[in-house]
Amino acid sequence: GAGVSQSPSNKVTEKGKDVELRCDPISGHTALYWYRQSLGQGLEFLIYFQGNSAPDKSGLPSDRFSAERTGGSVSTLTIQRTQQEDSAVYLCASSLNGGERQETQYFGPGTRLLVL
Amino acid sequence: DQQVKQNSPSLSVQEGRISILNCDYTNSMFDYFLWYKKYPAEGPTFLISISSIKDKNEDGRFTVFLNKSAKHLSLHIVPSQPGDSAVYFCAASLSSGGSNYKLTFGKGTLLTVNP
Repeated sequence: GAGVSQSPSNKVTEKGKDVELRCDPISGHTALYWYRQSLGQGLEFLIYFQGNSAPDKSGLPSDRFSAERTGGSVSTLTIQRTQQEDSAVYLCASSLNGGERQETQYFGPGTRLLVL
Repeated sequence: DQQVKQNSPSLSVQEGRISILNCDYTNSMFDYFLWYKKYPAEGPTFLISISSIKDKNEDGRFTVFLNKSAKHLSLHIVPSQPGDSAVYFCAASLSSGGSNYKLTFGKGTLLTVNP
């Protein structure tokens, strides 16, 4: 079956603009995660959605970042008033049920964001 | 503060030899550890994991060793193949606090296996 897909694959924007990044999880997966990988760094947890529960937003770096998940499937990560330090690869992952550390997270290919 | 550290940014080995990738962690509460492999332009893919109740887990050519007292784990690949060339990420999670889904990653090690 299809894996996690993300769009766009690359995004170049100007400082101060808003951007939206999209994630389509694996069909039937109830848990969805966003991570960020800045240059030379490891993946950094941003936000977690599980079913209809309130999302865990504890990893969002500032209030310019927000995410939503509509209908328990597709998710959109929005960055308002982008800054150059937002340049990174944004990765989305999904898992079947969530909440279980032994559960494999399946990652998409990422969106490479460059803020000029 | 980097809680999961991969101190070697790169490693080069000959095909057929053993590759050993190392990972250290500082948070003694971590009790589940994973290795992910990442090819260019692709997302990371799960490779192997180990629970803190074990000190070794093996899956084919891949073995992960955990030394809790040293807060150290390693991934052994034997024999190494050119297709193993990728970035390898170590990750950890903790079961307490209700956020066991939250993975903490190292910066990765680029493994190059030369034919």
